[in-house]
Amino acid sequence: QKEVEQNSGPLSVPEGAIASLNCTYSDRGSQSFFWYRQYSGKSPELIMSIYSNGDKEDGRFTAQLNKASQYVSLLIRDSQPSDSATYLCAVKGGYSTLTFGKGTMLLVSP
Amino acid sequence: GAVVSQHPSRVICKSGTSVKIECRSLDFQATTMFWYRQFPKKSLMLMATSNEGSKATYEQGVEKDKFLINHASLTLSTLTVTSAHPEDSSFYICSAPGKLRTEAFFGQGTRLTVV
Repeated sequence: QKEVEQNSGPLSVPEGAIASLNCTYSDRGSQSFFWYRQYSGKSPELIMSIYSNGDKEDGRFTAQLNKASQYVSLLIRDSQPSDSATYLCAVKGGYSTLTFGKGTMLLVSP
Repeated sequence: GAVVSQHPSRVICKSGTSVKIECRSLDFQATTMFWYRQFPKKSLMLMATSNEGSKATYEQGVEKDKFLINHASLTLSTLTVTSAHPEDSSFYICSAPGKLRTEAFFGQGTRLTVV
């Protein structure tokens, strides 16, 4: 059974700080990795995707992937109160469905 | 980018009635669509995979006779919650997959409240 594990949080950081969100996955055959942001009562929206080992940066967001350790993370620099949301890690192998983690709630205080 | 439209966004129904939720791919054809359910403060849980022109594939523990899925065209999948009960109250989200390595495209979600 494919599993994606996240700390449920909440992770509380002050405005301007770096928020670090972590995710581990069980299926070594996983090929694609995604971070979604979900506000309460809304559908998830894609923040980052990463497919190969290393770092991928997009604005204030950096995704990190380590396939050997089966670990993927998301760093949010200069955190803003508007970043407060639940962040879902999702993993996909081939053309299979996405497997979601339970999400980590991030709270950014002004 | 690809757009998936889900309707209605909110629905309140009485116990014992049925509710239909529609999921449309607006600018692309989707032979497969996924239906998720999300309870408060919980993650998205895949309920079933909708396949155009064939029967849906249900995840373990999901009652296929209660959650009827129809995927009659390449742009429309419907989920009907039959004989709804208060415990069916949840946030239902559909999605269509991208190509091999791309993300899924999500509908806006439907908040179902059964009273």
